[in-house]
Amino acid sequence: DTEVTQTPKHLVMGMTNKKSLKCEQHMGHRAMYWYKQKAKKPPELMFVYSYEKLSINESVPSRFSPECPNSSLLNLHLHALQPEDSALYLCASSRDPQSSGNTIYFGEGSWLTVV
Amino acid sequence: SQKIEQNSEALNIQEGKTATLTCNYTNYSPAYLQWYRQDPGRGPVFLLLIRENEKEKRKERLKVTFDTTLKQSLFHITASQPADSATYLCALVFMEYGNKLVFGAGTILRVKS
Repeated sequence: DTEVTQTPKHLVMGMTNKKSLKCEQHMGHRAMYWYKQKAKKPPELMFVYSYEKLSINESVPSRFSPECPNSSLLNLHLHALQPEDSALYLCASSRDPQSSGNTIYFGEGSWLTVV
Repeated sequence: SQKIEQNSEALNIQEGKTATLTCNYTNYSPAYLQWYRQDPGRGPVFLLLIRENEKEKRKERLKVTFDTTLKQSLFHITASQPADSATYLCALVFMEYGNKLVFGAGTILRVKS
């Protein structure tokens, strides 16, 4: 079983809604990630947090807003999304942002449908 | 730009045979490479990591090779079982971009009994 917990597992939202995806890990990992995965495609990196600070933003539209309130929690705030944003959103974590050779642990993902 | 290529078509093999999956990359010299398994509707699960100075790594029925000259990794599953059916993803870590993990498109493996 994964030790990265994501909620909700499924979310349906309208284009004018504001919602959030949540991610939690208690492994003491100091790097956390958001990935987006469309059907039959590989996961694509969106954001990386290292020691609770945003270190990578892969030119993600501002309608996606990440937040890392503490070392165990990672949120993704969603606002004014488009139907093409419908996808599986994966949270992940790894032990040490400075170390090569980290294992990255993924959550089960949150299925998002924008209607 | 960096490019990671995996077998684009699904690999169908008979139970008990060895499955071999290929990962090729260009325009990059990674310090290490990882392999993940992903089942439908679930997050990827880490399988193996191999460093640039390692030629081969084994874990139970799994074996990974890494040829930095050919820029290629091979992933082998010996004595394959129907439960091994899944999508297998290779991934490279770009340390100069702060531990950024980039995945190949993945290869679907189907093991028939």
